[in-house]
Amino acid sequence: KAGVTQTPRYLIKTRGQQVTLSCSPISGHRSVSWYQQTPGQGLQFLFEYFSETQRNKGNFPGRFSGRQFSNSRSEMNVSTLELGDSALYLCASNKGIMRLMENTGELFFGEGSRLTVL
Amino acid sequence: AQSVAQPEDQVNVAEGNPLTVKCTYSVSGNPYLFWYVQYPNRGLQFLLKYITGDNLVKGSYGFEAEFNKSQTSFHLKKPSALVSDSALYFCAVRLDRGSTLGRLYFGRGTQLTVWP
Repeated sequence: KAGVTQTPRYLIKTRGQQVTLSCSPISGHRSVSWYQQTPGQGLQFLFEYFSETQRNKGNFPGRFSGRQFSNSRSEMNVSTLELGDSALYLCASNKGIMRLMENTGELFFGEGSRLTVL
Repeated sequence: AQSVAQPEDQVNVAEGNPLTVKCTYSVSGNPYLFWYVQYPNRGLQFLLKYITGDNLVKGSYGFEAEFNKSQTSFHLKKPSALVSDSALYFCAVRLDRGSTLGRLYFGRGTQLTVWP
């Protein structure tokens, strides 16, 4: 069974530009969440989508946005890039079903998209 | 507020020796606890979890973790370390399985180095 796929793996942008990152979850998983990883701040939750609806959002400015499609694939967008947005962006999927016997909640992560802002 | 602490930034151990990576948590309610490992330039890989039941949880690659409610700890252990265990380890907690299934609170990570 294929894992979580993130594209692109690496990208370089300049300040002021925008970027879109893509995530394809494990087949059958309906929940997709996004995390930002930096050496200074560690792993920080961006947002979570389930059935095309944003279910939860972390403490990030409005420049960070996302969406989920009907096939559960998700994209996140960062507009007006700043140097501090340089990070590894991780996508994780989960079944999204809340019943304990079907889902104990571990997340399955992709390899990440490493964004460098110059 | 939920939080996770990994008090050691680095742990160094000789190959063949037992290893422990420490984690303490602070949540209101019953915690769901996880350990993940990250190799350089890779995503996070799930190691093990504690949801309920036996306090000693066994996971992948010979790792285990002990849940201690009174000490609010969930330390990761392995009886005999391998050089290939060298990686960044994250402890994470989630409060419940409600509407925040995708949200884990992570510790800052502990860099484990196993010397040959």
